[in-house]
Amino acid sequence: DAMVIQNPRYQVTQFGKPVTLSCSQTLNHNVMYWYQQKSSQAPKLLFHYYDKDFNNEADTPDNFQSRRPNTSFCFLDIRSPGLGDAAMYLCATSGDRQGPQTQYFGPGTRLLVL
Amino acid sequence: GNSVTQMEGPVTLSEEAFLTINCTYTATGYPSLFWYVQYPGEGLQLLLKATKADDKGSNKGFEATYRKETTSFHLEKGSVQVSDSAVYFCALIGQAGTALIFGKGTTLSVSS
Repeated sequence: DAMVIQNPRYQVTQFGKPVTLSCSQTLNHNVMYWYQQKSSQAPKLLFHYYDKDFNNEADTPDNFQSRRPNTSFCFLDIRSPGLGDAAMYLCATSGDRQGPQTQYFGPGTRLLVL
Repeated sequence: GNSVTQMEGPVTLSEEAFLTINCTYTATGYPSLFWYVQYPGEGLQLLLKATKADDKGSNKGFEATYRKETTSFHLEKGSVQVSDSAVYFCALIGQAGTALIFGKGTTLSVSS
């Protein structure tokens, strides 16, 4: 089955220690997104890639970066995690980035910062 | 800017009860509208969508109709099951947008 895969499902890191979350997709979609969902809140878009074109949301902290080495994989790097970065991180994909595009989500990675 | 407002939860129902979760939106032009469901500890699953006015999205017994005149996209199900217990998010993508704009989510709890 075509899908969006996120690893690991749970990640524990220490305050200030860089961490990388990964996402892969077998849907061959052009667009990949990273959302942050804090406890009991709605998901919020951090950034997206349209093919190799990176698009950062205006209010995404500089502490968050992303890489997309190929169509299938996308990584979220948190350079110096703070306690406030503890959240569920959701990866999503879509065929295109405008119009009535459905975004397909992975299961998420829950990040705990100690 | 675009926004989504959905009813506060939690919503607590008995099995086989009728469900309505209200959702209204603010957007320019003609957004696409979605309902996503999130089971405990899981990511978001698309439940249904509608891309133009008067469209009805439906899936697994759930329905929602895109009402342009009332800017609403209320979720309904005629007979809920215990397995429907989850958080439901109403969301939109603007006509020229990229990001899904979510409501705050409504927790549904169904008891047998």
